[in-house]
Amino acid sequence: QVQLQESGPGLVKPSETLSLTCTVSGGSISGYFWSWIRQSPGKGLQWLGYTFYSGSTTYNPSLSGRVTVSGDTSKNQFSLKLRSVTAADTAVYYCARVSVDRTSIHFDEWGQGTLVTVSS
Amino acid sequence: QTVVTQEPSLTVSPGGTVTLTCASSTGPVTTNYYPNWFQQKPGQAPRALIYSTSSKYSWTPARFSGSLLGGKAALTLSAVQPEDEGEYYCLLYYGGAGVVFGGGTKLTVL
Repeated sequence: QVQLQESGPGLVKPSETLSLTCTVSGGSISGYFWSWIRQSPGKGLQWLGYTFYSGSTTYNPSLSGRVTVSGDTSKNQFSLKLRSVTAADTAVYYCARVSVDRTSIHFDEWGQGTLVTVSS
Repeated sequence: QTVVTQEPSLTVSPGGTVTLTCASSTGPVTTNYYPNWFQQKPGQAPRALIYSTSSKYSWTPARFSGSLLGGKAALTLSAVQPEDEGEYYCLLYYGGAGVVFGGGTKLTVL
C-alpha cells in the first residue's frame, strides 16, 4: 500500500518561496505522474501541477509560471516550489499519485495534506 | 480560463438516490475528459471514488456510480447512507492544459 507524506515549513513570509516535499513509501515513484493540489481555507481544490517521474511537467496556467514540480527517484520523493507567495497562497497542500494509461488518468493516492500559512 | 461547474449543494434523504453533475465551460463532457470523482469529509484529504467516467476503485462502495448525462459527467449515489454526507469534487482532463477540479458539491443527508 503506497503512502504519501507531505513535509515542509508551515509558515512562509510574503514574497518568499514555498517549498514542500512529498515522500513516497510502499512503492516507487517510477512509472507514475505525481501532483500537487491545494485547498484554501473553506474553499475547493485547485490543481497546481504534475510531473512524470522522469521529468516531464504540466502546470496550472493560472499560476503564472510561479510553480515548479520535480521528482527525485534516488530519494523516492517529489517536490513543490511556489515562488513570490502572497496571503492568497495560504492553503492545505496535498500531494497525490496520478496513474495514467491508454484509457484512464486518475488521482488514486493522496497524502494527508499540510497547512502552509503565508504571513510576515 | 476553463471552468468546471458543479451544484453547490444538494440534500438527499437516507435511502434515497441523488445525482451530482459536472459541466465544462468548453462544451459537452465526453469520455476523453476522463472524469474523476472524489469525496472529502471535514478535516480529511480527498478520497478517490470514480475514474475514467465510471470505473471504480476496490474501495468504492457499490452504491456509487459514474456516467455521462446530458453532456455532463455524473455521480449517482443510490441507497444513500448518513456517512455519505460530505463534499464531492469532480476533475476533468484537458490534455496539455492539465486538469481542472470542479467547485465541489456539498451533499447533506437529511
